[in-house]
Amino acid sequence: NAGVTQTPKFQVLKTGQSMTLQCAQDMNHEYMSWYRQDPGMGLRLIHYSVGAGITDQGEVPNGYNVSRSTTEDFPLRLLSAAPSQTSVYFCASSREDSYTGELFFGEGSRLTVL
Amino acid sequence: AQKVTQAQTEISVVEKEDVTLDCVYETRDTTYYLFWYKQPPSGELVFLIRRNSFDEQNEISGRYSWNFQKSTSSFNFTITASQVVDSAVYFCALINTDKLIFGTGTRLQVFP
Repeated sequence: NAGVTQTPKFQVLKTGQSMTLQCAQDMNHEYMSWYRQDPGMGLRLIHYSVGAGITDQGEVPNGYNVSRSTTEDFPLRLLSAAPSQTSVYFCASSREDSYTGELFFGEGSRLTVL
Repeated sequence: AQKVTQAQTEISVVEKEDVTLDCVYETRDTTYYLFWYKQPPSGELVFLIRRNSFDEQNEISGRYSWNFQKSTSSFNFTITASQVVDSAVYFCALINTDKLIFGTGTRLQVFP
């Protein structure tokens, strides 16, 4: 089992560029989410999805878009990157909805915006 | 409001010492879940434990133990006889409807 796979692992962008962080899971999990991790801030929820076709905002959604066309994939799009979006991004999935709470995390994607 | 507070930013201990990581939470829900996750230096996040609000029994797993007290809204984590491999950032988290809210984490350094 690959679990949760995130790509790319590292990315450097210039301000204003767009990009997509990919996330795929092979565990048939309904719930998927994106977090960002910043020093001293812990992990903050960006967007989440409780199933294909359903997405919702977390604590810090501004500047990010998501879609969930399949159960397996949950890409995170940065439409116009800003230096404030420099962070480590984690994708996570859970068997049902996150109420079960045991999240399976990807290895993270480190994004630097210059 | 839902909130998780980990007041200890960083703790340093010497191997074989016991160490307790504090977690205080706020919620208006009567049914909720609390969690601990570990993030070792390699960066991945690892689930350690889940506890629901109706189960206040303490739990022990090897050198790890958890003390859940609703009266003080705390869910503390103790490592007995710490080892260098326990060095990591530890996050406490709380379910808020369908969102998992994390504390800011406690960095534990265990020195040989």
